[in-house]
Amino acid sequence: NAGVTQTPKFQVLKTGQSMTLQCAQDMNHNSMYWYRQDPGMGLRLIYYSASEGTTDKGEVPNGYNVSRLNKREFSLRLESAAPSQTSVYFCASRRGHEQYFGPGTRLTVT
Amino acid sequence: AQSVTQLGSHVSVSEGALVLLRCNYSSSVPPYLFWYVQYPNQGLQLLLKYTTGATLVKGINGFEAEFKKSETSFHLTKPSAHMSDAAEYFCAVSDQRAGGTSYGKLTFGQGTILTVHP
Repeated sequence: NAGVTQTPKFQVLKTGQSMTLQCAQDMNHNSMYWYRQDPGMGLRLIYYSASEGTTDKGEVPNGYNVSRLNKREFSLRLESAAPSQTSVYFCASRRGHEQYFGPGTRLTVT
Repeated sequence: AQSVTQLGSHVSVSEGALVLLRCNYSSSVPPYLFWYVQYPNQGLQLLLKYTTGATLVKGINGFEAEFKKSETSFHLTKPSAHMSDAAEYFCAVSDQRAGGTSYGKLTFGQGTILTVHP
């Protein structure tokens, strides 16, 4: 039981490049979330998926898109990366009131 | 709309001393409240949560927190700090809609870095 996994762990992009952050959970949870963490700002919700086939915007969705591929997988895409998207990205899934977090992806955009 | 304010971005204590991390929230509905801990280069781990019932909740690693509605607070305490408690701590509030529908979205505070000195 791996819990929530994220790939890659680290990534460096140039401005304007695109990439997809992958997230998968093996706990059969319906709800999944993408957050970004920036120093002094805590975690902020980018997008969430309440169930397979549905997605919705969170607090800071601009510049991102998501895909809920199936119940296990929830990916986050940056179509044209900007330096302001330099951050640590966390995926989470939820059972009841508890969210389970992945180890994070550290992204740097130069 | 809901929000969370953590007072003090850095807290430093001596080993064996009381740990007190402060959290105040704003919510238009009865809140669900959480404390998470993040060790360096790791994801977040749930320490404890308040949903309903007893206002003093106990969590892992000897931590506890008390929900005080009149003060809109949910401060985290531990009687005796250990070196292994050094980490960043986040307070969070969950959305909860009338009628019980919740998407479980969390709003986090800014985080408090706890340093423990020998």
